[in-house]
Amino acid sequence: NAGVMQNPRHLVRRRGQEARLRCSPMKGHSHVYWYRQLPEEGLKFMVYLQKENIIDESGMPKERFSAEFPKEGPSILRIQQVVRGDSAAYFCASSPWASGRDLHEQYFGPGTRLTVT
Amino acid sequence: DQQVKQNSPSLSVQEGRISILNCDYTNSMFDYFLWYKKYPAEGPTFLISISSIKDKNEDGRFTVFLNKSAKHLSLHIVPSQPGDSAVYFCAASPYNNNDMRFGAGTRLTVKP
Repeated sequence: NAGVMQNPRHLVRRRGQEARLRCSPMKGHSHVYWYRQLPEEGLKFMVYLQKENIIDESGMPKERFSAEFPKEGPSILRIQQVVRGDSAAYFCASSPWASGRDLHEQYFGPGTRLTVT
Repeated sequence: DQQVKQNSPSLSVQEGRISILNCDYTNSMFDYFLWYKKYPAEGPTFLISISSIKDKNEDGRFTVFLNKSAKHLSLHIVPSQPGDSAVYFCAASPYNNNDMRFGAGTRLTVKP
């Protein structure tokens, strides 16, 4: 998973504050995926983005969560008015192509651990 | 809705022996399956995959077996090495769909 950068690695927010998580994909990758891992649970898909487009956001909570992947700069996962239940590890992954039958690899970043106090 | 299940949260094996990690799924639309390995404080790393047109895929010490009728797949590591100690996630997705579902993971410990 070398090359996919996420920052910060640890983020502490009080209830009601905003959290911004950043993901810089591997060089040459134009597809970004965000996942959330709640304690004792597996990774859960949140959103899939290409440059300037949201392709699939079926895993995103309906409120308070948003994501973007601008033409320049990292992808941002934004959580407004955080609550304790948002505490989790958030992983970003990137790939150079859309997921498909034979090209189904995603390279993960180290994750951002969000703690809401 | 846990569509991908790894029922064993942990597994301990002796170095040199075989490690078998199991995964069950419920969604018959899944047709691509992957295993990821995760070390503490790192992101998951892709390990091996298999599509539904196959029942076995081998890569070095790692072999994945798929039993479509039972909706079951397994990862075999032989011989196991202490460096294999990590959490292993099973993942599945429908063809051409980005909604990859992960299991909860199995922590493998390989004792020297």
